[in-house]
Amino acid sequence: DAMVIQNPRYQVTQFGKPVTLSCSQTLNHNVMYWYQQKSSQAPKLLFHYYDKDFNNEADTPDNFQSRRPNTSFCFLDIRSPGLGDAAMYLCATSWGQGVSETQYFGPGTRLLVL
Amino acid sequence: AQKITQTQPGMFVQEKEAVTLDCTYDTSDQSYGLFWYKQPSSGEMIFLIYQGSYDEQNATEGRYSLNFQKARKSANLVISASQLGDSAMYFCAMREGPGNQFYFGTGTSLTVIP
Repeated sequence: DAMVIQNPRYQVTQFGKPVTLSCSQTLNHNVMYWYQQKSSQAPKLLFHYYDKDFNNEADTPDNFQSRRPNTSFCFLDIRSPGLGDAAMYLCATSWGQGVSETQYFGPGTRLLVL
Repeated sequence: AQKITQTQPGMFVQEKEAVTLDCTYDTSDQSYGLFWYKQPSSGEMIFLIYQGSYDEQNATEGRYSLNFQKARKSANLVISASQLGDSAMYFCAMREGPGNQFYFGTGTSLTVIP
């Protein structure tokens, strides 16, 4: 089945220690998104790629970076995690960005910062 | 102003009964899409149903239907014959205009009681 895969499902890191979360997709979608979701809140968009074009949300901290080396993979790098970065990180994809384009989500990675 | 408003933080429903989850939206665009997602405690956001602004018929997907009232700017999700597995967080979302991000509501936590 075509899907969005995120690894690892759970990630523990230390305060200030860089961490990378990965996302892959077999849907061959053009757009890949990274969201941060804290407990009992709506997902918050961090950035997205349309193909190789990177789009950063205005309020995404500089501590968060992303790479998309090819269509299938996208990475979220947190350069110096703080306690406030503990959250669920969701990757999503869509074929395009038209109003009818559904976003399909991966299972998420829960990040714990010690 | 909030783009998506979900006024019910928590809802309870008896197993096998129907339940309606409320969603209102705010847009001045003529073309937009409305989406509902289910998020179980495992964290994955599962796409349930889509309604386009030009669709005259209410969308249905199995036990899910979307009660679309354009003039009132509401897009309520109706779940018929509730099952224990329906217990989850439910998010309403909107995409307006090509290239624009999803706007998520704050979610409704649904608990199905045996």
